[in-house]
Amino acid sequence: EAGVAQSPRYKIIEKRQSVAFWCNPISGHATLYWYQQILGQGPKLLIQFQNNGVVDDSQLPKDRFSAERLKGVDSTLKIQPAKLEDSAVYLCASRSSGTLAKNIQYFGAGTRLSVL
Amino acid sequence: GENVEQHPSTLSVQEGDSAVIKCTYSDSASNYFPWYKQELGKRPQLIIDIRSNVGEKKDQRIAVTLNKTAKHFSLHITETQPEDSAVYFCAASKTGGSYIPTFGRGTSLIVHP
Repeated sequence: EAGVAQSPRYKIIEKRQSVAFWCNPISGHATLYWYQQILGQGPKLLIQFQNNGVVDDSQLPKDRFSAERLKGVDSTLKIQPAKLEDSAVYLCASRSSGTLAKNIQYFGAGTRLSVL
Repeated sequence: GENVEQHPSTLSVQEGDSAVIKCTYSDSASNYFPWYKQELGKRPQLIIDIRSNVGEKKDQRIAVTLNKTAKHFSLHITETQPEDSAVYFCAASKTGGSYIPTFGRGTSLIVHP
């Protein structure tokens, strides 16, 4: 099966600019996650969607970050305005709701963001 | 919420040696523990997982052990090879409902040929 697709792979912006990331999950996967991975750390959950509804966004800095999954398939994550500390890899992951593979997350390759 | 501690942060071994990475978790209700391997510049990939009703699971050179009482679990890699060099992440979560794993900070494993 095709994997989780993310774009762009790399993005360099100046602080206070805006940026958007796109994710296309594995076909049929109802659950989609956005993670922030700062260099040297594990992935930190930003937001989880179930279809087009938000399950958990408690760690999303809502003053500058937003995410949507309007049709329950693709998702976009936006940062506006960006700060230096937002430099990280942004990972998207999806998960099937099928019984056998229920807890397996499949990750995309990520978008590496550098804020100058 | 759940807190996962992972040690060591860096592990350097000679090819053929064994490597052990340890994680502890705080939430006794966590019952699913996956391990991910992330090669440089690539996506994290699941390599093995264990559920709380099992104490040990093995897949070729990789094994995971779980001690529910002590709330810790470990990844064991035997006969290490240079291609095992990567960052390994442990995670802990509860199954059922919304599945939200908490990840450790990662261990950078370096296997010297």
